Amino acid sequence: NAGVMQNPRHLVRRRGQEARLRCSPVKGHSHVYWYRQLPEEGLKFMVYLQKENIIDESGMPKERFSAEFPKEGPSILRIQQVVRGDSAAYFCASSPRRDRNTGELFFGEGSRLTVL
Amino acid sequence: DAKTTQPNSMESNEEEPVHLPCNHSTISGTDYIHWYRQLPSQGPEYVIHGLTSNVNNRMASLAIAEDRKSSTLILHRATLRDAAVYYCIQRGTFGSQGNLIFGKGTKLSVKP
Repeated sequence: NAGVMQNPRHLVRRRGQEARLRCSPVKGHSHVYWYRQLPEEGLKFMVYLQKENIIDESGMPKERFSAEFPKEGPSILRIQQVVRGDSAAYFCASSPRRDRNTGELFFGEGSRLTVL
Repeated sequence: DAKTTQPNSMESNEEEPVHLPCNHSTISGTDYIHWYRQLPSQGPEYVIHGLTSNVNNRMASLAIAEDRKSSTLILHRATLRDAAVYYCIQRGTFGSQGNLIFGKGTKLSVKP
């Protein structure tokens, strides 16, 4: 079984460009989470989505960042007009259900964004 | 913000047991304790979780204090591959409390 697939693994953008990060969850998983990890720091929750719905975006910056999880296809994290402070590793995770007892999260290998 | 506190770092020798402590003094009766670890340059991976009773799986054991205000992750025989940052997470039930909120974790070094 394929795990969570993220692409691209590495992305370089210049200031002002757009970055699109894709996440294909484990087959059959309908819950997707995005996290950001700045260099030498812990993971910060950004957004939680179910198919076609944003459930919790309390960790998402109000401007330039957006996320979607369409009915078909991968989840997309989009960062518009990137700045150097957006340089980080972005991790996607999926789970089959949102249950604090059995809802183990499966993480991808991450997408590393570098903004020049 | 993370609701747990862990030591910043710990060292262990290969093939010896490792006890990683975690304090979660504000835990409610329905919050679970989850542990994840992150190897260098990789995404986090699930280790174990529990509510009240001690738990065992192929990776580790989780010992939860009777008052549930602290817990200990036990690696029975550390290997070099166990060198990672270990995160202890207090996971709630409703709304945003159901999100996994990571703290800084404990960086475990394993010496050969």
